[in-house]
Amino acid sequence: LAKTTQPISMDSYEGQEVNITCSHNNIATNDYITWYQQFPSQGPRFIIQGYKTKVTNEVASLFIPADRKSSTLSLPRVSLSDTAVYYCLVGLYNQGGKLIFGQGTELSVKP
Amino acid sequence: NAGVTQTPKFQVLKTGQSMTLQCAQDMNHNSMYWYRQDPGMGLRLIYYSASEGTTDKGEVPNGYNVSRLNKREFSLRLESAAPSQTSVYFCASSEFGRVTDTQYFGPGTRLTVL
Repeated sequence: LAKTTQPISMDSYEGQEVNITCSHNNIATNDYITWYQQFPSQGPRFIIQGYKTKVTNEVASLFIPADRKSSTLSLPRVSLSDTAVYYCLVGLYNQGGKLIFGQGTELSVKP
Repeated sequence: NAGVTQTPKFQVLKTGQSMTLQCAQDMNHNSMYWYRQDPGMGLRLIYYSASEGTTDKGEVPNGYNVSRLNKREFSLRLESAAPSQTSVYFCASSEFGRVTDTQYFGPGTRLTVL
């Protein structure tokens, strides 16, 4: 399983765009990149997943460069309720769903 | 539609006691998982069940046993609790266990072993 590296913490203010970058230098050809969000005292929740280029949903965008050695989760116009830990995971398509959660990035949004 | 439910929400045990954490999902998912999360850390996979009737070890299986009772239920048992097992335990499920399948998590069980 590819190892991921992401910042331990980030601070932002309401209304700003937040970009969290994840490094995964050893990503394999068949690996997908997935982001989960975890609020305090809750289980993680799926945000977005991608394989290459750009993916966008109602919550976030995921940018993946051509070499796929990194990816960036973009949260547009964050609010206080986006304060959470964000995990970047890289996994093979058919490996039994074994997800490796690193330490994640603790995002703190201030008023 | 409750999703993934876990019982109990909180539990305090003494060293050496045993207990079973219960997990159930109502989404007709094939795959189920047990994770633990220690303070300030990410989740670590204890055991998973790719489908009914199968179970496999994850990263940290020592001190735990699991039972996939049926398609809906997946229990985690601590036979002789130790203080090192103090943690928050999360159960999750996904449709087919593929990495492209979203994992849905329960609310967690906070376990303290004295």
